Order: sequence, then structure tokens, then C-alpha cells
Amino acid sequence: QKEVEQDPGPLSVPEGAIVSLNCTYSNSAFQYFMWYRQYSRKGPELLMYTYSSGNKEDGRFTAQVDKSSKYISLFIRDSQPSDSATYLCAMSARTNDYKLSFGAGTTVTVRA
Amino acid sequence: DAGVTQSPTHLIKTRGQQVTLRCSPKSGHDTVSWYQQALGQGPQFIFQYYEEEERQRGNFPDRFSGHQFPNYSSELNVNALLLGDSALYLCASSLPGGSGELFFGEGSRLTVL
Repeated sequence: QKEVEQDPGPLSVPEGAIVSLNCTYSNSAFQYFMWYRQYSRKGPELLMYTYSSGNKEDGRFTAQVDKSSKYISLFIRDSQPSDSATYLCAMSARTNDYKLSFGAGTTVTVRA
Repeated sequence: DAGVTQSPTHLIKTRGQQVTLRCSPKSGHDTVSWYQQALGQGPQFIFQYYEEEERQRGNFPDRFSGHQFPNYSSELNVNALLLGDSALYLCASSLPGGSGELFFGEGSRLTVL
């Protein structure tokens, strides 16, 4: 079993829809949770960074962490064609930890 | 302000050869990490360099080695290449003291034939 499991997708949604992305994990030591966006042929770009359980909102993006269920989510509201990318969840056990554990990614296509 | 730059962007090698990939961190960053991303997979941590020393290492064999120079740039070396080493190799840099945020380059795509 992989340490981090991510819904494989792919997802195809119409413009304006809400996109829901999910990851589960097995390592209870994880405390720092991230979502990265990766456009085709580019490196990952950090979208959201959260610590422990709870919600964090940044514009159209909301990240949720439920440590009791070992489950994290990213929601994208009012999705745009420019949101079409692969979304990777990542997590670590310590602050300033450069050894991130990534999910395999979910590819999202937003149709105009 | 240039971000993380990597070279070469693409390269093709044959089994058994050796390869060196290069990375220049974002300005002001002193820590460099290397990741391997196989097709359709998430990045896998190879190792991290700070103050010219390897500080953390992932589950990769000794064929994978690295170096960090005084100007914080870094190299990743892979010896005795295998077909399974074909992947996108990503370099990431971060700020002194760290914030948990990694800035990734666009990667070097290695194909081993």
C-alpha cells in the first residue's frame, strides 16, 4: 500500500463547476499538507499549504484536512479552463521537511 | 528574478551510461532537493542538499549521487543507467530556514534506451 493515495481521475468538468480532489494517507505522523498544480511539461507549483486539521481558503481554492480520517481535500470553485492541470497532494511530518510524500496526481480538464 | 533553472531539458542515454543534471536555485535560496517523477506518478524524493552536504536521502540506490556548490547550485549524477531511470528529474529550492514551500524547476526529462 502506498503511503499517499490520490483519486486517479481524470476529471472533466464544465467551466464554472466545482472541482473536488481527494487524498488519503496512512502515516499518522504527517502534519503538513500541500496541494501542488502541475501544468503539462512544467514543474509543480505550490497552491495551498496547511498545518494539521481544519480548512484554509485562498480565493477560489479551499483545502480541508481531516487528520482523524487521514483524508485531505482540495475544492476549486468557479473552475476556469486555465485550471486544467494535474493536481498533486503532498505531505510531510515535520516543518522544513524537504522529503515530501506525493500522491500520483489527478488530471483535471475544465471544458469551456 | 529567475526561478529554478535546470539543464538540460531533455536528454537520451543508453543503458549503462552515466548522466549529470544541473540545477540553479531561485535567487536567495540555499537548499536544493531533487525528485524523480516517473510518467503518471507523483514526484519521489531523492535527496536534499544544504551547506554543500547531503542532509536527507530517499529510498534510492547509491547510483544516485549529488553535489552542491558554494553558489548553492547543484548536480545530480546517475551511474549505470537502467531503463527504469527514465523519468522527469525535478529540482526544488527553498528559502533559508525553510517555510515548507518548495519552488520547482521545469525538470530534465531523461530517456534511457
